[in-house]
Amino acid sequence: DAGVTQSPTHLIKTRGQQVTLRCSPKSGHDTVSWYQQALGQGPQFIFQYYEEEERQRGNFPDRFSGHQFPNYSSELNVNALLLGDSALYLCASSFGTPDEQFFGPGTRLTVL
Amino acid sequence: DAKTTQPNSMESNEEEPVHLPCNHSTISGTDYIHWYRQLPSQGPEYVIHGLTSNVNNRMASLAIAEDRKSSTLILHRATLRDAAVYYCILRTDKLIFGTGTRLQVFP
Repeated sequence: DAGVTQSPTHLIKTRGQQVTLRCSPKSGHDTVSWYQQALGQGPQFIFQYYEEEERQRGNFPDRFSGHQFPNYSSELNVNALLLGDSALYLCASSFGTPDEQFFGPGTRLTVL
Repeated sequence: DAKTTQPNSMESNEEEPVHLPCNHSTISGTDYIHWYRQLPSQGPEYVIHGLTSNVNNRMASLAIAEDRKSSTLILHRATLRDAAVYYCILRTDKLIFGTGTRLQVFP
């Protein structure tokens, strides 16, 4: 079992561009959550997807959107990138209403 | 969302027990207490969780106060590999992380 995988590992973009990050959940998991972690801070919840729909959302603007596919994989899209969007983006998967979330290694996004 | 308060940092020597405290005075009756840790350059990793009773697993023990307003994560014998940021989280249907406690372990 490969666990939670994320791609790409690192990404550099410029202000105003758009970015798509990808996540494959752990085998058997149907729920995917996305987090943003700024340097020196704890992860901040962005949103959660279940059955291809956004189920929960944190305090993030509409520039942040996502999608879940029938195979449970997920994408995080960020439009009109700002310098402040530079962070580690973490994906976590779980099954149903979880006791435990499994995190991927993250995608490091740098916005110049 | 209910909040937790943890010390910014703690230190321990290898093979000694470590007690990591967490205060959560606004906890509700349905909030589970979860602990995750994040090793350098990795995503967070689940450690343990509980509701009212003390819990033990292969990684750690969780001691929950009778009024549930505080809890303590116990690492029975710290190793160098336990050096990480430890997050105490009150979980309803999503995880709300604070800034955690950075644990340093010295040989």
